[in-house]
This record gives sequence, C-alpha cells and structure tokens, in this order.
Amino acid sequence: GAGVSQTPSNKVTEKGKYVELRCDPISGHTALYWYRQSLGQGPEFLIYFQGTGAADDSGLPNDRFFAVRPEGSVSTLKIQRTERGDSAVYLCASSSKRGSTDTQYFGPGTRLTVL
Amino acid sequence: KQEVTQIPAALSVPEGENLVLNCSFTDSAIYNLQWFRQDPGKGLTSLLLIQSSQREQTSGRLNASLDKSSGRSTLYIAASQPGDSATYLCASITQGGSEKLVFGKGTKLTVNP
Repeated sequence: GAGVSQTPSNKVTEKGKYVELRCDPISGHTALYWYRQSLGQGPEFLIYFQGTGAADDSGLPNDRFFAVRPEGSVSTLKIQRTERGDSAVYLCASSSKRGSTDTQYFGPGTRLTVL
Repeated sequence: KQEVTQIPAALSVPEGENLVLNCSFTDSAIYNLQWFRQDPGKGLTSLLLIQSSQREQTSGRLNASLDKSSGRSTLYIAASQPGDSATYLCASITQGGSEKLVFGKGTKLTVNP
C-alpha cells in the first residue's frame, strides 16, 4: 500500500507569511507525528496525535506553530508569521497504534525555506 | 531528558568491509530503539526496531543489538556495498513520557567501490 505522503515537497516563502504543510498517513494508522530536521541534525519532535487529538504538543517551539488532524487521518501543520529560523525539513510519520510498540514510518518531508 | 549520541559522525570504508555504528543513550528506561537510514534529500527508512525486552534484531546483512544497562546500541553491517552509503540514525522512545522518538545526529557512511 501507499506510504506516508507529504505536500508540498518544497515550499519557499517570505518572512512573515503563513504556511500550511500537509501529511497523509498510512491508511488505518491512528498515531501521527511531526518532526523538524535542520541541516546536519537528527529530527526533533514537534507534536504527536492519537486519533484526532494532540496527545503531546510539547515540541512545538512557540505559539506560531499549530497542527490539526480533524478527522483522524490527514494532518496539517500551520506556521504563522514565518521566520528565517523556521527553515528546515518538516517530516511526518505514522504508526499503526503507538510509537512505543510499533514502527514509525516516515514521509519524504517538506523542505521549507523562509527568505 | 533523553540524549542520544552517535559515534562516529562520519565513516568511510572500502567496499566489502564489515562495520559497526554506535549509538548511546542517557536514559535506559526505554520502550524501544529504532535504526533508520536517510538518503540525501529523502525521508527516513526504518531498518530495525528493537523492543526493550529484546537483545538484537537481524535483517539481511544488518544486525542491531541493544544493551539497556549500559545505554548502548550497535548497528552491524556485513559485507558493505556502495549502495549502503547513507546517513544512519538511531532513535529511542523513553518510558513514562510521550510516544516521541528522540534521535541522535546520525553517522554519515560512505562505502567506496
């Protein structure tokens, strides 16, 4: 079956603009995760959904970042008033139930560049 | 707070060599440890998942071991090939917290033909 997909693959925006990044998890996976990866670093956790609810949003860096998963499938990561420091690759992952027992499968990522 | 460290940061070997990548973690109370491969400009591909009750997992030429008491995991790659060139990341999920993975910075492997 299809893996995790993310759109767009690349996004270039100007400082101060609003962006939305989309993640389509593997069908039937209840758990969904967002991570952010800067150059030369490992991915860093942002937020975790179990179904429609955010079970852990402790990794969101500030209130400019927000994510939703209204129907328990597709998720959107929203960034307001973008800053140059937001430039990174945003990765989405899903697992069938819980990351503590099941493999997390990652999408190809969205490369965000803030000019 | 869990910290994951990977040594070396980069490794270059000739084709056919057996090699070991190292991963250490500060909090031994983990649910599992996962090894990933990342090709340039790509997402992460899961290679092996070791549950906390397990000592090792094998897949083809790859073998991953886990020693929770010492806070270490190793990824052994047998008979390396140029196609194995990539960045290898290890990550763990800590008990008592969220379901999030905490990653190391990775080891960049180059296998020379």
